[in-house]
Amino acid sequence: GEEVAQTPKHLVRGEGQKAKLYCAPIKGHSYVFWYQQVLKNEFKFLISFQNENVFDETGMPKERFSAKCLPNSPCSLEIQATKLEDSAVYFCASSQSETRGGGTEAFFGQGTRLTVV
Amino acid sequence: QKEVEQNSGPLSVPEGAIASLNCTYSDRGSQSFFWYRQYSGKSPELIMFIYSNGDKEDGRFTAQLNKASQYVSLLIRDSQPSDSATYLCAVREMKTSYDKVIFGPGTSLSVIP
Repeated sequence: GEEVAQTPKHLVRGEGQKAKLYCAPIKGHSYVFWYQQVLKNEFKFLISFQNENVFDETGMPKERFSAKCLPNSPCSLEIQATKLEDSAVYFCASSQSETRGGGTEAFFGQGTRLTVV
Repeated sequence: QKEVEQNSGPLSVPEGAIASLNCTYSDRGSQSFFWYRQYSGKSPELIMFIYSNGDKEDGRFTAQLNKASQYVSLLIRDSQPSDSATYLCAVREMKTSYDKVIFGPGTSLSVIP
């Protein structure tokens, strides 16, 4: 597609439940990034993929968060046993491979607002 | 030290004035720099990207990059009330072992009619 598509737009989970978020990158983009934005605060980098391979997961709270980008499927971010502090907007972004003179800008989806109650 | 820092806001400018937004970054090897605008409740929208030292102009926006000083700025000329938003500076760090776009905390801009 021509834009990064994130689903669902809103997700409400009870504390302890599982949450799964999806992201379809722009067609042709080989890099996918996930970010967490709590309230209107800073973007916290979670994880990046190059195609289906995890490239950088230094931002992931590994005990409860996991992510995948499988061929021919939307990427996913899963939170096991959600906590109140997981309430945030989760943004996905995609970009092309770096090419001479450009192509590295990341385009964002509309985000998924997760509310843990 | 945070990897990407921006001048603290909120920044208020009168309509028609120049708004100046500043950003510094810590990774000297960073190659790609971006300015995003985020309206309240919306996703970030790319305004400008810059890769080479110097100025890059697009309409009312000018991005300036100085890699020696690890500094990137965004100037908005003839500011309009519709420019009121949070402006995010982002730096892409690509290494053999990691690849991420790091965002600054953002600067809130208000353009006063």
